[in-house]
Amino acid sequence: GNSVTQMEGPVTLSEEAFLTINCTYTATGYPSLFWYVQYPGEGLQLLLKATKADDKGSNKGFEATYRKETTSFHLEKGSVQVSDSAVYFCARQPGGGADGLTFGKGTHLIIQP
Amino acid sequence: DTGVSQNPRHKITKRGQNVTFRCDPISEHNRLYWYRQTLGQGPEFLTYFQNEAQLEKSRLLSDRFSAERPKGSFSTLEIQRTEQGDSAMYLCASSSTTSGGDYEQYFGPGTRLTVT
Repeated sequence: GNSVTQMEGPVTLSEEAFLTINCTYTATGYPSLFWYVQYPGEGLQLLLKATKADDKGSNKGFEATYRKETTSFHLEKGSVQVSDSAVYFCARQPGGGADGLTFGKGTHLIIQP
Repeated sequence: DTGVSQNPRHKITKRGQNVTFRCDPISEHNRLYWYRQTLGQGPEFLTYFQNEAQLEKSRLLSDRFSAERPKGSFSTLEIQRTEQGDSAMYLCASSSTTSGGDYEQYFGPGTRLTVT
């Protein structure tokens, strides 16, 4: 079936460090891929997305590239801030863009000043 | 546009009782989704509607769960004979797949259910 696997947390980094959160997905069909973020006390928000191979999604300094050959969609940011502390979820959606999302378990990111 | 709203935000109930949650999507969004999220896990898809039609139900949606969207606007999720394993955050999302829509799913704040 469809699944998403992302690295376990918590991930603790110092401010201005480089961030990578790994995510791999099952390659059934032509899924769209997403990163959602959940800040403390808030609901899920879409951070970025990519709908086809080699697309790069970007937002707020975060980037992720849809890699079909490695079935990966790793989240990266060059210099993290304390305000980036949150839980990050990788998700896939079957091609067409209208069906339910399959989420990974989430990665809790903690940024220390 | 005030976003997706869900009521109540918190519900505590005793095992065996029935509970009902409501979701109000972003106005004119034709798709509405329900998810369940337990502690330390990602959201799990339960079901979705296009307008008033329920188009897909997950295996997770046992026969004690029923969802409706009678007029294609708000939706309700009912859980009958609640069990402790039903304790979770229930999330609603909506999206627009009509012409001009961005297909993005916008999530509500969730209803946290605790079954004692």
